[in-house]
Amino acid sequence: DGGITQSPKYLFRKEGQNVTLSCEQNLNHDAMYWYRQDPGQGLRLIYYSHIVNDFQKGDIAEGYSVSREKKESFPLTVTSAQKNPTAFYLCASSTARQSYNTEAFFGQGTRLTVV
Amino acid sequence: KNQVEQSPQSLIILEGKNCTLQCNYTVSPFSNLRWYKQDTGRGPVSLTIMTFSENTKSNGRYTATLDADTKQSSLHITASQLSDSASYICVVTENRDDKIIFGKGTRLHILP
Repeated sequence: DGGITQSPKYLFRKEGQNVTLSCEQNLNHDAMYWYRQDPGQGLRLIYYSHIVNDFQKGDIAEGYSVSREKKESFPLTVTSAQKNPTAFYLCASSTARQSYNTEAFFGQGTRLTVV
Repeated sequence: KNQVEQSPQSLIILEGKNCTLQCNYTVSPFSNLRWYKQDTGRGPVSLTIMTFSENTKSNGRYTATLDADTKQSSLHITASQLSDSASYICVVTENRDDKIIFGKGTRLHILP
């Protein structure tokens, strides 16, 4: 099956711990994105990558880190420096940057809760 | 400042009825406008993508319109079904820096 897969679906973390969210796609897409969704808010961009071995900060990158060593994978690490990490995290991919009118496909999300 | 405003914030209608959701934006320069459907606890799914030159696009019972002059878009849902209960998100892409601006969504509830 082609698609974009996020894991795990639910994740619990103790305060002060780093945690890594997985995002894998087999759509051969160049561009990948990480978003954060909070209740009553629009999605906010954390990081994005338009090509392997290159990524850029989005609007709310503080306290997060990413890597793009493989085209298929774009893991997000939520570090202890992120002051309010409890949220719903969404990963997306597309064949090219969004201004090229390419369709973006989203994963099913990871709900992170800090306990 | 680039913004996307959606209205209403929430909407309740009876099954079988039609409804229209609104999206106003101030994003410039404009590249495209998308409507997504997001079920609770799931990722958004694309419904339509429209560029500057397109003023209407349909996807089954969903019809999106775009007026690039007034910077307004609408999503019309015909003969609503219970499965249409979801959040509908308007997303505008800015052309210069490829910035993607999400609206906060309209929460639609379909009652039997």
